[in-house]
Amino acid sequence: EAGVTQFPSHSVIEKGQTVTLRCDPISGHDNLYWYRRVMGKEIKFLLHFVKESKQDESGMPNNRFLAERTGGTYSTLKVQPAELEDSGVYFCASSPRRITSGSLYEQYFGPGTRLTVT
Amino acid sequence: SQQGEEDPQALSIQEGENATMNCSYKTSINNLQWYRQNSGRGLVHLILIRSNEREKHSGRLRVTLDTSKKSSSLLITASRAADTASYFCASRPFSAGNNRKLIWGLGTSLAVNP
Repeated sequence: EAGVTQFPSHSVIEKGQTVTLRCDPISGHDNLYWYRRVMGKEIKFLLHFVKESKQDESGMPNNRFLAERTGGTYSTLKVQPAELEDSGVYFCASSPRRITSGSLYEQYFGPGTRLTVT
Repeated sequence: SQQGEEDPQALSIQEGENATMNCSYKTSINNLQWYRQNSGRGLVHLILIRSNEREKHSGRLRVTLDTSKKSSSLLITASRAADTASYFCASRPFSAGNNRKLIWGLGTSLAVNP
């Protein structure tokens, strides 16, 4: 079974530009999450999709960030326009809808996208 | 505000020794999880402990939870060089509904020297 994949693995853009990050969750996982880790700080929750619906977007920093999950499969996170403080590693995770024995809300993470804004 | 805090931030030990990492959190939780991240890789789930559990084991891992102190510890016994990684605790705040967000600590960077 393929794991969570993210693209690109690394992106370097200039301040003011737009970047779109993509996440492909594990097939069949209804829940999809975005997290971000800014250097030297803790990993922070951004938002949670259940299928195509935003269940919780309380962690989105501002309206320069737009997340979508059309069709309830892959998700994109667009930053427009990017600022220097947006630099960090963006993680995506997924989990199944129903709690199966032993999983207990375990989230499966992708390798992350390292975003550098210069 | 930061929810989780971990100590130590960095730990260096010799192979065969035990490694203990601690984590604290601030609000009531449903469960607490520990994850590992190898350099350049994604986060890998290690173990989960529910709020009504006090101790849990998985292989060489032992996790404790003290809800009165809002703290948890991860013990890795008989460490190996392959255990070198960053370890994070993540708590799931207690709330109704389908809220599943995790609140993370800063992480402990563990180096196991051969």
